[in-house]
Amino acid sequence: GIQVEQSPPDLILQEGANSTLRCNFSDSVNNLQWFHQNPWGQLINLFYIPSGTKQNGRLSATTVATERYSLLYISSSQTTDSGVYFCAVNSGGGADGLTFGKGTHLIIQP
Amino acid sequence: GAVVSQHPSRVICKSGTSVKIECRSLDFQATTMFWYRQFPKQSLMLMATSNEGSKATYEQGVEKDKFLINHASLTLSTLTVTSAHPEDSSFYICSARDIGRRYGYTFGSGTRLTVV
Repeated sequence: GIQVEQSPPDLILQEGANSTLRCNFSDSVNNLQWFHQNPWGQLINLFYIPSGTKQNGRLSATTVATERYSLLYISSSQTTDSGVYFCAVNSGGGADGLTFGKGTHLIIQP
Repeated sequence: GAVVSQHPSRVICKSGTSVKIECRSLDFQATTMFWYRQFPKQSLMLMATSNEGSKATYEQGVEKDKFLINHASLTLSTLTVTSAHPEDSSFYICSARDIGRRYGYTFGSGTRLTVV
């Protein structure tokens, strides 16, 4: 099956800093999503981005499908950005579940 | 739009008992729903795909007799953990996709199961 690798596994930053999270995948994808898992376990969908670039406030994401990677950018980090960020993909249609990377654990210090 | 509701959010049960978890798509119909499991400090792993009106398909290594899935309507899938044991303690999350909208997959809020 498709493999998903995320880097870095852990990241500690000061409030106000910018960060870039990376997701590499081993095969072509029909679906790629970035999620933020909060301390209560809820998965918040940040971006649905199988290709191209999107922005939502301080967050933006880019997927280069031909090179099989995606990047999540967080600017002007806030303490509330802390948590685990997951990249998840699938190469099939809506009848297939997602394969998740191991996540990036982000800690924003005040 | 594309809201998935999951209940209960937390359950503690005794070893040997069964627990049922519900997953509902609130504003769309879902012929397919997905169940994931997450152990502490680990990623989410797909357990099974729930198909409306037919049998679920299970990922390799997941015991279908222990994790019973029923998808009797277009908006409801249930996961029953049968004869639960402490090693079944985990975070279970369901997901569905509204194929009519390009939102990707939406996840429920998860169920934290503790077996004592």
